[in-house]
Amino acid sequence: AQSVSQHNHHVILSEAASLELGCNYSYGGTVNLFWYVQYPGQHLQLLLKYFSGDPLVKGIKGFEAEFIKSKFSFNLRKPSVQWSDTAEYFCAVNAGGYQKVTFGTGTKLQVIP
Amino acid sequence: EAQVTQNPRYLITVTGKKLTVTCSQNMNHEYMSWYRQDPGLGLRQIYYSMNVEVTDKGDVPEGYKVSRKEKRNFPLILESPSPNQTSLYFCASSDGQGSDTQYFGPGTRLTVL
Repeated sequence: AQSVSQHNHHVILSEAASLELGCNYSYGGTVNLFWYVQYPGQHLQLLLKYFSGDPLVKGIKGFEAEFIKSKFSFNLRKPSVQWSDTAEYFCAVNAGGYQKVTFGTGTKLQVIP
Repeated sequence: EAQVTQNPRYLITVTGKKLTVTCSQNMNHEYMSWYRQDPGLGLRQIYYSMNVEVTDKGDVPEGYKVSRKEKRNFPLILESPSPNQTSLYFCASSDGQGSDTQYFGPGTRLTVL
């Protein structure tokens, strides 16, 4: 069965600091990986996704993530955060060929001006 | 406007009183799904549907029912709600089955007394 771990539950950063949020999954086969974001009072929306090809994927608002197959990881990064990045971030995995989607427990990011 | 709608947005009910949360999408998506979000547990998939009359269990299906009689609608039914079903519920849809980007509704906050 697929599973996802997000080790950072709550992260507090100052504006302009760099961000890296960890995501590890467990599944031995082909996976599709996602990062979703939930801004306060808003719907969850897709930040970026990896299906195949270049393991470094770029998403909206300057976010990127790197798929490292050997480490079963898909960490989210942003070189310089802004106050508007304050949100909850969810990593999700879909094992290739199956229809279930498993989300991590989420990371709340608070950016201090 | 492409969207997923849920009704009601807020609901307070009592143990054992049957309720239905509706979900509708206007994007002609084949895949629809229900999640519940609980603090510290992230989003957990309840049920998903790959097309009309095709549904399957997610990770936490106990106590819930779904139906998919029309492509656009995917109601979530709680036949006999219990307090442990107090949660924030999200409906989502996707064009490409579970392996593609999901579009989320605004959420339904349910309290079972």
